[in-house]
Amino acid sequence: TQLLEQSPQFLSIQEGENLTVYCNSSSVFSSLQWYRQEPGEGPVLLVTVVTGGEVKKLKRLTFQFGDARKDSSLHITAAQPGDTGLYLCAGTTIQGGSEKLVFGKGTKLTVNP
Amino acid sequence: NAGVMQNPRHLVRRRGQEARLRCSPMKGHSHVYWYRQLPEEGLKFMVYLQKENIIDESGMPKERFSAEFPKEGPSILRIQQVVRGDSAAYFCASSPSNSEAFFGQGTRLTVV
Repeated sequence: TQLLEQSPQFLSIQEGENLTVYCNSSSVFSSLQWYRQEPGEGPVLLVTVVTGGEVKKLKRLTFQFGDARKDSSLHITAAQPGDTGLYLCAGTTIQGGSEKLVFGKGTKLTVNP
Repeated sequence: NAGVMQNPRHLVRRRGQEARLRCSPMKGHSHVYWYRQLPEEGLKFMVYLQKENIIDESGMPKERFSAEFPKEGPSILRIQQVVRGDSAAYFCASSPSNSEAFFGQGTRLTVV
């Protein structure tokens, strides 16, 4: 069972369009992070959200943490080809008696020029 | 402050050989995670270590795989008697706590 479910799994859009990707769970997280990974590279941290209901903006990217701290969304405005990549969410939770960082499977975004 | 350093970036091994993957965490980070990634897939958790301790190895196969994070030196992920199915990208991440993690560029293991 995947602890963090990301949707959609794949998304292909045209430059200039808006999009939202989701990260959902039945578990509560003390914090949640979003990463972006480009082919051949390691994931790069974009943002960390900690407080339920928190909204953070990073240029054209808007991140929201759900009130119950179980889910999050990433909204991109006016997408550009440079936004292409694998977007991963990760949360800190207690699993198997230890606290650890777990990842969703990611949303692969392709922005076509 | 240098980022997470992984080496080698690329590693080719014949079936049956051993693979050693190294990860030097960011300065001041005492938490290290290892993840495995197959093409077109997300990151699969393997093991979580703190200095000299394995905290959670629930994602690591019980045979042929081992990991350590000694008091001095890098964290090592060791795969003995590699098989073709071990071919993947292996990523290491370090963290000052259990929250945000910073990743290395990965080691791409190819078993021929």
